[in-house]
Amino acid sequence: DAGVIQSPRHEVTEMGQEVTLRCKPISGHDYLFWYRQTMMRGLELLIYFNNNVPIDDSGMPEDRFSAKMPNASFSTLKIQPSEPRDSAVYFCASSLGNQPQHFGDGTRLSIL
Amino acid sequence: EDQVTQSPEALRLQEGESSSLNCSYTVSGLRGLFWYRQDPGKGPEFLFTLYSAGEEKEKERLKATLTKKESFLHITAPKPEDSATYLCAGMDSSASKIIFGSGTRLSIRP
Repeated sequence: DAGVIQSPRHEVTEMGQEVTLRCKPISGHDYLFWYRQTMMRGLELLIYFNNNVPIDDSGMPEDRFSAKMPNASFSTLKIQPSEPRDSAVYFCASSLGNQPQHFGDGTRLSIL
Repeated sequence: EDQVTQSPEALRLQEGESSSLNCSYTVSGLRGLFWYRQDPGKGPEFLFTLYSAGEEKEKERLKATLTKKESFLHITAPKPEDSATYLCAGMDSSASKIIFGSGTRLSIRP
């Protein structure tokens, strides 16, 4: 079975540019989560969706960050404009109800 | 505020040397306690879910236990391939959102 698929795996861009991260959840899962992982702060929940509807975006750092889920098989996390402090590994995860979350292998983002 | 704290931050063991990792939590209305393993360059991989105090789960050399305030991940006779970061997470009363601890980096020397 295909797991959670994230793209790109690595992204290097300059400060001020728009960055779009993509996620395909596991088919049939009704929850989708976006996390950010850094050495200093560990794994932080940014936002999560249930049945394509955003439920809690209290972890989104600021207005530069936005996330969408136009359908059950696709989600994006966008940063505009990007800043060096946004450099981190961004993970997407999906789950069915309150079952364990399954993670993708992440996007390593570097903002120069 | 809901919180999950893991200790130690890092642990180095000799192959075959058993030990335990600790996860203490203050999560209101805890609906489940999860353990994940994370290898470098990979996403967290699910290991166990514990739902109630006294519950235990086992998988190969790993055993997870749960009390009302903390959880332990016991590693018996570890091998080098057990080296990874182990993450603990608590599911809150919403039964959808989970709060992660900062992890324990485990290194097993041959």
